[in-house]
This record gives sequence, structure tokens and C-alpha cells, in this order.
Amino acid sequence: GDSVTQTEGPVTVSESESLIINCTYSATSIAYPNLFWYVRYPGEGLQLLLKVITAGQKGSSRGFEATYNKETTSFHLQKASVQESDSAVYYCALGGKDYAQGLTFGLGTRVSVFP
Amino acid sequence: EAAVTQSPRSKVAVTGGKVTLSCHQTNNHDYMYWYRQDTGHGLRLIHYSYVADSTEKGDIPDGYKASRPSQENFSLILELASLSQTAVYFCASSWDWGRGAETLYFGSGTRLTVL
Repeated sequence: GDSVTQTEGPVTVSESESLIINCTYSATSIAYPNLFWYVRYPGEGLQLLLKVITAGQKGSSRGFEATYNKETTSFHLQKASVQESDSAVYYCALGGKDYAQGLTFGLGTRVSVFP
Repeated sequence: EAAVTQSPRSKVAVTGGKVTLSCHQTNNHDYMYWYRQDTGHGLRLIHYSYVADSTEKGDIPDGYKASRPSQENFSLILELASLSQTAVYFCASSWDWGRGAETLYFGSGTRLTVL
């Protein structure tokens, strides 16, 4: 079946430092799955951060970027300079051909940003 | 702004008891989902629904029932709660399945502890 592996947390960074969360996927149900990053801020539900549905394309939102690399089956999330408000749990996910299967999520990476 | 609300926010249940988790959305979305997350796993799909009065099994439906009495409401029912069902449960909704590219809108989760 499909699977997603991402950086194991927790990850601790200082404000203004860079952040990268690795995400690799294995998709057996579809050759080129749709890829997502969701974020869960404290006390809130998950919300979409960014998505890319075309291999080779880059998605960006709130200063975060992720590039869909089909050669390495990766979708790493990066931000050049984090803020304390970026403290959250980040989830990488993929969507297969049959959405009835829902999304396949990674375990989530807890990021804490300290001033 | 899309809104998905879950109740209760947290619950402690006894083994063998009945538990009902509720979800209400004001997005006018057709699709609704129930996911669970527990240690060592990403979010996993339990049940979903794409129309009122109909539900479908997801990846891990055993021990759970679902009910969709209206477009807005989607419940998850544990008839005989077990220790292994201790987890955080998330409800989500979406417009459509979108070939796996559709954005999901999540509630803030229900933390269930079965003793």
C-alpha cells in the first residue's frame, strides 16, 4: 500500500533559523500521487499548508516551500527563517487515484521554535 | 471560512461502554471523514461518507460504526469501547474527492481515553 515517511520529531529550532522537514513517499495505487503538507497548530485542527498535484512543481505558502520530486519520491518542506508562530505539528500526506481511500498521512513532525 | 466542529473535545470511557463522537460542518460539503491518530501511526481513515444516510468503510473500520443522518452531521460510534481505541479522533470534510487533490477541512479533534 501507500506510505509516507517524514522526519521524526520533535524538532527544535531557534527563531530566524532555517527549517527542513523531510518527507518521502511510496505510492503503489498511483504513479504520480497528489502531495500535501498539513499543519496543526496548538489547540486547532489540521489545516492545509500547501499542495502540489504535478510532479516537478513547487508549492509555497506562509514562507514554506516544497517541491514534488518524482525521481527521489520526496516532498521536503523548507522555510528559510522560522518564527515562534511556526511551532506546530506538520504532516506530509499523499492522495491516491481513488480518493475513497482518503489521504495517506505521515506520523507528523512536532516543531518547536524558540525565541 | 470552513468550519468543522467536534464534540466532545475529550472523553474518558470505560471498557465495554458505548461512545459516540459527533461532528458538525457548516461548509455545505458532501464528503465527511473520520480519522484516528495514535502513537506510531499517522492519521488513518476509519469511515467516510459522500451523501446523507450512507457511509463507507475506510482502512480501519473494525470496532466502529458511522452514521450520517444529514449532510451536516457525521457521528462515529464505538458500541463496545476497548483499550486499543484510545486515540485522538479527527473529523474532516471536503467538497468532493477531486481525484485525490481536494483539500480536507478538519475539526480540532476529540481525545478519547478508554480505561
